[in-house]
Amino acid sequence: KAGVTQTPRYLIKTRGQQVTLSCSPISGHRSVSWYQQTPGQGLQFLFEYFSETQRNKGNFPGRFSGRQFSNSRSEMNVSTLELGDSALYLCASSLLPSDSPLHFGNGTRLTVT
Amino acid sequence: QKEVEQDPGPLSVPEGAIVSLNCTYSNSAFQYFMWYRQYSRKGPELLMYTYSSGNKEDGRFTAQVDKSSKYISLFIRDSQPSDSATYLCASVADGDKLTFGTGTRLAVRP
Repeated sequence: KAGVTQTPRYLIKTRGQQVTLSCSPISGHRSVSWYQQTPGQGLQFLFEYFSETQRNKGNFPGRFSGRQFSNSRSEMNVSTLELGDSALYLCASSLLPSDSPLHFGNGTRLTVT
Repeated sequence: QKEVEQDPGPLSVPEGAIVSLNCTYSNSAFQYFMWYRQYSRKGPELLMYTYSSGNKEDGRFTAQVDKSSKYISLFIRDSQPSDSATYLCASVADGDKLTFGTGTRLAVRP
């Protein structure tokens, strides 16, 4: 069974640009969560999607958005990038919303210059 | 104050040592407790998952939860160089999002 797949693995963008990250959950998993990981803050929850609906949202500005498609695949978008957005963005899937445990992908490393 | 506190380390031990990793949490609603291991350039992978207070053992790994003191521990026996990674504790209340500690970096020296 394939794990959680995130693309791309690495991205370099400049300030002010926008970026879209993609996540394919484990087959059969319908809930997708996104986390931002930085050395100082650790893993910070961004949002959770289930059945194409956002169920939960973390404390991030509106520049961070996401969506989920009918096949459970998810994308997150960051607009007007700032230097502080440089981080590892992790996607995790589970069978049901707010379900434990979460299964993580290997992340997308975003660098903003 | 973070809901889950974890000493970031780094922690360096010789091969074969017993490793103790610890977290404290403040949210009394937390019911489920997990330990994830994260290798460099990889996503976190689930190591241990517990629900109640007490010990849970899996091979060389033992997870311990003390709800009365809000303390979570992970013990690694006979540590190996392959155990070198960042260890993340995580807790969740029923129906809520998973909350992580910042992680402890462990290095096991051959």
